[in-house]
Amino acid sequence: GIQVEQSPPDLILQEGANSTLRCNFSDSVNNLQWFHQNPWGQLINLFYIPSGTKQNGRLSATTVATERYSLLYISSSQTTDSGVYFCAVEDISYNTDKLIFGTGTRLQVFP
Amino acid sequence: GAVVSQHPSRVICKSGTSVKIECRSLDFQATTMFWYRQFPKQSLMLMATSNEGSKATYEQGVEKDKFLINHASLTLSTLTVTSAHPEDSSFYICSAAARTGGEKLFFGSGTQLSVL
Repeated sequence: GIQVEQSPPDLILQEGANSTLRCNFSDSVNNLQWFHQNPWGQLINLFYIPSGTKQNGRLSATTVATERYSLLYISSSQTTDSGVYFCAVEDISYNTDKLIFGTGTRLQVFP
Repeated sequence: GAVVSQHPSRVICKSGTSVKIECRSLDFQATTMFWYRQFPKQSLMLMATSNEGSKATYEQGVEKDKFLINHASLTLSTLTVTSAHPEDSSFYICSAAARTGGEKLFFGSGTQLSVL
C-alpha cells in the first residue's frame, strides 16, 4: 500500500518563528489533506490540497503531485499552534475516500 | 463545515466487558464512515470501512469478531469492542465523508478507551 512519511518528526519553536513541514507519499493520490490534532485529540481540517497552493491566514500549503510531496508552512507561530500535524492521502487506485495518515510532526511552540 | 459527533469521549471498563462507541453525522448523510485507532504518540491507523446497509470492510490484521461495526442508517455507525482487554486501550476516532466543496472527510472528537 501507499506509504506516507512526514518530516521532521518533532519540531520545537519559539513563538514568532516560521516553519515548514513536509509530507512525502509513495504513489499517486486522489486527495491530500492536512490536519492539526490538538492536545485533546480532535482532528481539525487545515487544507484539502491534492495539488497547487492554498493559504489560510498564517498557514499555507503546497502540493506538487507529480513529485509526490506536500509542504505545510506555518508563519509567525503561536503557542496555540502546538500539537501534531498529519497529512493524509487517498490512494488513487481505490477511489474510496479512505485516508492513509502520515507519520506526523509533533510541534511545540514556546513563548 | 460538516459535523461528526462521537460518543462517549472517554470510557473506562473492566477487562472482559464490551464497549460501544457511536459516530453520528449531524448535518449530512454518510454512506461510508471510517474507524481509526491511535496509540499514544503514534499516527492514526485505519481499522475498517463502515458501509451503510452492508458489512464493514476490515483492514488487514484487524479482528472483525472483536471489533464489531454496524452502520444501520445514513447518519450512524457504531463500533463495539467485544471482550475488551488492556491491549485494546487506545484512542478511537471515526470519520465520515461529506461532499461539501473540497474537504471530503470530517472527524469525530475521538473516544479514549481504557481497559483495566
